[in-house]
Amino acid sequence: NAGVMQNPRHLVRRRGQEARLRCSPMKGHSHVYWYRQLPEEGLKFMVYLQKENIIDESGMPKERFSAEFPKEGPSILRIQQVVRGDSAAYFCASSPPSLSNTGELFFGEGSRLTVL
Amino acid sequence: DQQVKQNSPSLSVQEGRISILNCDYTNSMFDYFLWYKKYPAEGPTFLISISSIKDKNEDGRFTVFLNKSAKHLSLHIVPSQPGDSAVYFCAASGDGGSNYKLTFGKGTLLTVNP
Repeated sequence: NAGVMQNPRHLVRRRGQEARLRCSPMKGHSHVYWYRQLPEEGLKFMVYLQKENIIDESGMPKERFSAEFPKEGPSILRIQQVVRGDSAAYFCASSPPSLSNTGELFFGEGSRLTVL
Repeated sequence: DQQVKQNSPSLSVQEGRISILNCDYTNSMFDYFLWYKKYPAEGPTFLISISSIKDKNEDGRFTVFLNKSAKHLSLHIVPSQPGDSAVYFCAASGDGGSNYKLTFGKGTLLTVNP
């Protein structure tokens, strides 16, 4: 499967625990984006990363959320001390180094986080 | 403040007929508009896009129309097929030059009945 791979697909956490979501971009893609979809809402941009660099984190909540894309391995979205409001589908997308003008992104199947 | 609005949460059409999905936007800085299709438990997949300098783009059964003065776009699917049943998201990019930062609507659930 050459698509964007996300894991886990489903994650259940209790309030106060940590959630780690992983994303491997499509082959040949070096740019990764995280989006969040709250229930009954559209997807919302969170962060844009390249290898070892955070390019734009303007959509990330100021506290408890962090993201990284190390030189080796997948991108990780980390949520510390989760609260019920963090329950959502988290989608990762990737693009080649030269993003087309249209901004077409290739999305993974998402990780669904449920906070009890 | 919703900058991209899809006012119809759902739409039901008969197989073979035309499906028309609508989308309105408020930010005049957007310069590309995209439609994504999403099946349950899957990620969105790109369908078709249109630049703000055009008013129509066609790809097979799918046509997107853009009316800049009305800040309105629509996706036409003809003929509709049962496999088209999915949630369709309208999205826009280009505000501030960040074409990776898509602003999505809430989606419209299309059901095509055999």
